[in-house]
Amino acid sequence: EAQVTQNPRYLITVTGKKLTVTCSQNMNHEYMSWYRQDPGLGLRQIYYSMNVEVTDKGDVPEGYKVSRKEKRNFPLILESPSPNQTSLYFCASSFGTDHRYGYTFGSGTRLTVV
Amino acid sequence: GNSVTQMEGPVTLSEEAFLTINCTYTATGYPSLFWYVQYPGEGLQLLLKATKADDKGSNKGFEATYRKETTSFHLEKGSVQVSDSAVYFCALSPGGGNKLTFGTGTQLKVEL
Repeated sequence: EAQVTQNPRYLITVTGKKLTVTCSQNMNHEYMSWYRQDPGLGLRQIYYSMNVEVTDKGDVPEGYKVSRKEKRNFPLILESPSPNQTSLYFCASSFGTDHRYGYTFGSGTRLTVV
Repeated sequence: GNSVTQMEGPVTLSEEAFLTINCTYTATGYPSLFWYVQYPGEGLQLLLKATKADDKGSNKGFEATYRKETTSFHLEKGSVQVSDSAVYFCALSPGGGNKLTFGTGTQLKVEL
């Protein structure tokens, strides 16, 4: 089944404790992206990657890092999480950089930073 | 820059009622337009899309027409069901671009 898999689904952590949210897709998509979803703000892009070893900032990259060492994986790293990073996070992928075909989304990771 | 504006929710309807969720956009060039749906506890799913002016996207009884003259892409369904209860997001992708810009989402609740 074609899918984007995120782990974990839920995570509660403390301020300053480094964490990684994993994302993997099995569709051989070139393009991958991370979004955060907050009430009243919709989805905002954090980082994106157009292919292996190619990453760039989205609209809200502060406090986040990503890497793209393999085509299928695109982990999101919070080196020193803060409470304002409490949010619902989605990973998404797409075939190529032409988004006429839309994105495939993961099921989300709900992160709480206390 | 690019932006998408959706009507505020929540929208509450009775089953079999007609649905319209308004969406307008601001973009340079010729963007592609999308509606995504998010069911409770799940990720977003592509509902329908339109890639050029006057195109009509349709899926599962939902329709939306790309209106360049009014920069709109309103979502409609003739008869909603309880199972349509979800959050609906309008989004655009610039022509040849690499990013989806989303609206804030509209929650739909359908009651018996």
